[in-house]
Amino acid sequence: QVQLVQSGAEVKKPGASVKVSCKALGYTFTTHHMHWVRQAPGQGLEWMGMIDPSVGSTVYAQKFQDRVTMTREKSTNTVYMELSSLRSDDTAVFYCARDSIREAATILDFWGQGTLIGVSS
Amino acid sequence: SSELTQDPAVSVALGQTVTITCQGDSLRIYYATWYQQKPGQAPLVVIYGENSRPSGIPDRFSGSSSGNTASLTITGAQAEDEADYYCNSRDISGNRLVFGGGTKLTVV
Repeated sequence: QVQLVQSGAEVKKPGASVKVSCKALGYTFTTHHMHWVRQAPGQGLEWMGMIDPSVGSTVYAQKFQDRVTMTREKSTNTVYMELSSLRSDDTAVFYCARDSIREAATILDFWGQGTLIGVSS
Repeated sequence: SSELTQDPAVSVALGQTVTITCQGDSLRIYYATWYQQKPGQAPLVVIYGENSRPSGIPDRFSGSSSGNTASLTITGAQAEDEADYYCNSRDISGNRLVFGGGTKLTVV
């Protein structure tokens, strides 16, 4: 069955970077784009960007364009999201989510368990 | 515009019908997908496309769209439907996704 397994929680200092991993299991890694979604405590979902694991191409939300890098490692079926220049308001749960195209709609049909990143001095 | 707008909170009496709406220019072009999120859990797709439900989603959930507005309707709301609901679609360029701000549904 499809599973997305994310790396564990971390605490970082302001100005640092964090790299979160998402290992895909149970399907062909290169046939679905992977997205990253941020959710600050008590707040809504925020789309950060996506990567095509087949070729490594990326599309980022304008808000994160200057600070986010998404990569993949095909040999281990893993995607990574690195966020730099962390601020306290980056404290959030970060989810990876696989997409599928159904009826011309892009749906995020499987999600990782989420990774809590805390930013504090 | 790349924004999707939702009412922050809606309430419904147990067993009654409630509609949650999502407005945005991109909805004139692209379908909305609706996600349900309960505390401490990852979001779950409840409606996608014109009006389709993934396997396992009760048929009391339905979707519709008109102009720049997408709607999620729950007919006969149950206590377990109490959750946050988010709409999601492509932005007007088609290159990026965007989420609405979410609607907190309370079943009273």
